[in-house]
Amino acid sequence: DAGVTQSPTHLIKTRGQQVTLRCSPKSGHDTVSWYQQALGQGPQFIFQYYEEEERQRGNFPDRFSGHQFPNYSSELNVNALLLGDSALYLCASSLDRGRRGGTQYFGPGTRLTVL
Amino acid sequence: GIQVEQSPPDLILQEGANSTLRCNFSDSVNNLQWFHQNPWGQLINLFYIPSGTKQNGRLSATTVATERYSLLYISSSQTTDSGVYFCAVEDNYGQNFVFGPGTRLSVLP
Repeated sequence: DAGVTQSPTHLIKTRGQQVTLRCSPKSGHDTVSWYQQALGQGPQFIFQYYEEEERQRGNFPDRFSGHQFPNYSSELNVNALLLGDSALYLCASSLDRGRRGGTQYFGPGTRLTVL
Repeated sequence: GIQVEQSPPDLILQEGANSTLRCNFSDSVNNLQWFHQNPWGQLINLFYIPSGTKQNGRLSATTVATERYSLLYISSSQTTDSGVYFCAVEDNYGQNFVFGPGTRLSVLP
C-alpha cells in the first residue's frame, strides 16, 4: 500500500520564478491538503482539494494556487517566488467519506530554496 | 480561528525516562492528531484521538475534549524518540487543520 508521495524532494529556484510541486495521495484517499513549514515552525495550512475543487484555503496570497486531477493527485503552484517562500512543503491526504475529520497522512515533503 | 498551544517547548531526557507532552486547544474539535517529525522532516502519524485514550507500545495519548486538552505520554524513552512532536486539530466547523508550535524532544544516551 503506497503512502503519500511527493516530487521533487528538493528544488532550488531564484526570486521571481515559478514552481510546481506534485503530490500523489495514499491509495484510496480522495482529499489532498498542502502545508508550508518554515524552519523551526509548525506546518501552516495552504489549501485543501476535494472532488477537484479548492474546498478550504488558509491565509496565503493568490500566488499560491493548486489543482487536483481526476486520479486525486494534486499540484501546488507558486508564482513570482519570494525569498520568504523558502520552506518545506508538505502534502497530506485523507478520506473524506462525505464528512470532515478524516485522519491525515503526510508525504515526505519538498524542500524549496529560493535564492 | 482555533488556537493550539503545546508545552513544554523543549524537553531533554535521559534514555529510559518517561515524559508527558501537553496540547491545549481553544475550541471544540472534530479531529486531533499527534505527529512525530523526524530529522528529515517526515511527519509520522502517532495517534488520531479527538477524544478518549489510545495506546501504541511505549506511547499513549489521552484527549479530554470537554476540557480542551490532549496529553501524549512517552515511556522508557529511546534516542530514536528524539525530534519534534506536533499536535494538530480540525475544529467542528471543518476548518483547516491547525498545528501547534511543537515540542522539541531530545533523548540523550
